[in-house]
Amino acid sequence: GQQLNQSPQSMFIQEGEDVSMNCTSSSIFNTWLWYKQEPGEGPVLLIALYKAGELTSNGRLTAQFGITRKDSFLNISASIPSDVGIYFCAGQNYGGSQGNLIFGKGTKLSVKP
Amino acid sequence: NAGVTQTPKFQVLKTGQSMTLQCAQDMNHNSMYWYRQDPGMGLRLIYYSASEGTTDKGEVPNGYNVSRLNKREFSLRLESAAPSQTSVYFCASSNRQGNLYGYTFGSGTRLTVV
Repeated sequence: GQQLNQSPQSMFIQEGEDVSMNCTSSSIFNTWLWYKQEPGEGPVLLIALYKAGELTSNGRLTAQFGITRKDSFLNISASIPSDVGIYFCAGQNYGGSQGNLIFGKGTKLSVKP
Repeated sequence: NAGVTQTPKFQVLKTGQSMTLQCAQDMNHNSMYWYRQDPGMGLRLIYYSASEGTTDKGEVPNGYNVSRLNKREFSLRLESAAPSQTSVYFCASSNRQGNLYGYTFGSGTRLTVV
């Protein structure tokens, strides 16, 4: 089945630094999503991308749908301590079981004040 | 505006015991899902229900059964718990029409099998 490679697995950064993470796939997706999971909680949707090449922002977060439809990037600018958590990418195709989301294994972000 | 509600939040089972994890959503979503999350493994799909009355296996269905009781509720049953089923379980829901609007997740059930 389809698999997503998410990198890096973990990041330890200083408050105020910018963060970049990405996901790649061997096959194309119609939709890319980015989720954040805080300790003890379920993942929460941050950004959804629906078109190849699309660039979408949500506050200090910016995500892009790769032009090849096989990758996506998430950037966080000027990180703050509350950015701590696990960030998941997810890809989706339409129809039947392909309509289910495929999740990356997550990037664990730690921010030092 | 509860979203997706999971019960219980924590559970400890002995090997061989059975239990049912409950999930309910109040967003009138068509589809519901059960995932397990293990360190370094991300989120793995156990079972899903694309619509009321249907259920299908996901990536890791062995040892589990599900019931889509009605449009709101989707339960996950462990008939004979094993230590390998120690995990955090998440229920999610969505609408599967056209563009995906994203899954809404519950806050999880932390299960330990000893």
